[in-house]
Amino acid sequence: AQSVTQPDIHITVSEGASLELRCNYSYGATPYLFWYVQSPGQGLQLLLKYFSGDTLVHGIKGFEAEFKRSQSSFNLRKPSVHWSDAAEYFCAVEGNNNNDMRFGAGTRLTVKP
Amino acid sequence: NAGVTQTPKFRILKIGQSMTLQCTQDMNHNYMYWYRQDPGMGLKLIYYSVGAGITDKGEVPNGYNVSRSTTEDFPLRLELAAPSQTSVYFCASSPTRPNYGYTFGSGTRLTVV
Repeated sequence: AQSVTQPDIHITVSEGASLELRCNYSYGATPYLFWYVQSPGQGLQLLLKYFSGDTLVHGIKGFEAEFKRSQSSFNLRKPSVHWSDAAEYFCAVEGNNNNDMRFGAGTRLTVKP
Repeated sequence: NAGVTQTPKFRILKIGQSMTLQCTQDMNHNYMYWYRQDPGMGLKLIYYSVGAGITDKGEVPNGYNVSRSTTEDFPLRLELAAPSQTSVYFCASSPTRPNYGYTFGSGTRLTVV
């Protein structure tokens, strides 16, 4: 089955600084890849997704992610972080022939004033 | 548009008690899912359904049961609650295959004492 690893448990950045959250996946073919954000006490909200085609995908709230097949990665980026971006971020992978979306353990983002 | 609604939001159960976590969606989505979220572990799939009358096990189904009698509702049943089932439970839905991303409910926080 597919799997996903988020190497960073917790990241702190200053407001206005750039952000990159790492995600590595394991799957034998081209997977479906997702990033979700979870604010405290809330459910998960979809930020962006990749199925095929252009390897740079853009999502809501100014986030983007790049699919790199050679590195089995799907890192999330934002050029300038806002205090409201403080949350937990989950990378997820789903095989193209199953109904089993696997989530990483999450990266908690703290934004310093 | 309510999306995915979960009830209750919080519940404390005693060991051995039973309960049903309710999940309703009003988007006419065929696919519905139950996940549990434990600290540092991401989300684990418990059960899923691809349509009314059809359910299947996910990664961690032991101790749980589901049913899907209508498109809208996908309740999760705990028959004999155990401390290991203390978790936050999320219901999610999606309309089609391939998966364009899930819509999540706001979760049920369950404590078994």
